Amino acid sequence: NAGVTQTPKFRILKIGQSMTLQCTQDMNHNYMYWYRQDPGMGLKLIYYSVGAGITDKGEVPNGYNVSRSTTEDFPLRLELAAPSQTSVYFCATVAGTGGLDGYTFGSGTRLTVV
Amino acid sequence: QKEVEQDPGPLSVPEGAIVSLNCTYSNSAFQYFMWYRQYSRKGPELLMYTYSSGNKEDGRFTAQVDKSSKYISLFIRDSQPSDSATYLCAMCGGRGSTLGRLYFGRGTQLTVWP
Repeated sequence: NAGVTQTPKFRILKIGQSMTLQCTQDMNHNYMYWYRQDPGMGLKLIYYSVGAGITDKGEVPNGYNVSRSTTEDFPLRLELAAPSQTSVYFCATVAGTGGLDGYTFGSGTRLTVV
Repeated sequence: QKEVEQDPGPLSVPEGAIVSLNCTYSNSAFQYFMWYRQYSRKGPELLMYTYSSGNKEDGRFTAQVDKSSKYISLFIRDSQPSDSATYLCAMCGGRGSTLGRLYFGRGTQLTVWP
């Protein structure tokens, strides 16, 4: 039982490049979230999804896109990478009641844009 | 004003000390309060979860919520070097638009030295 799997663990991008951060869960949870964590700044919500085919913006969506074609996968797409997107990205899932049962986080993707 | 305020520390204490970690919040809609522990280069993991005002105890950890003051605390008794981590408070609302969406504090970095 892997829980939440994020790939890649590390990546260096040049300004203007694009990439997709992968997130896969095997817990059959409906709710999935993408957060970014900047040093000393806590976690900020980028996008979230309450089920396959349904996504919505969080606090800091600009420069990102998501899709949710299956329950298991919730990829985060960065288009035209900028230095301001240097951060650690966490994917999280929770059962259908939302945050009340506590999130399960992946181990994160460390992204540096140079 | 940020919705959730948390002093980032760092906090350094000797083994066996009592540690007090705190957060304040501004949104009266928050009803569920959580503490997450995050070890270096790992994703956050749920430590404790409370609903409504009062205390909740789990081993060496006690979570306290004062809704009238919009103030939550986490106490760690007999602290151990293995408690060294970043502690993030998080909260969400009940029914309505904030359900399931967690709002995080910045995290407090704790070091317990032997």
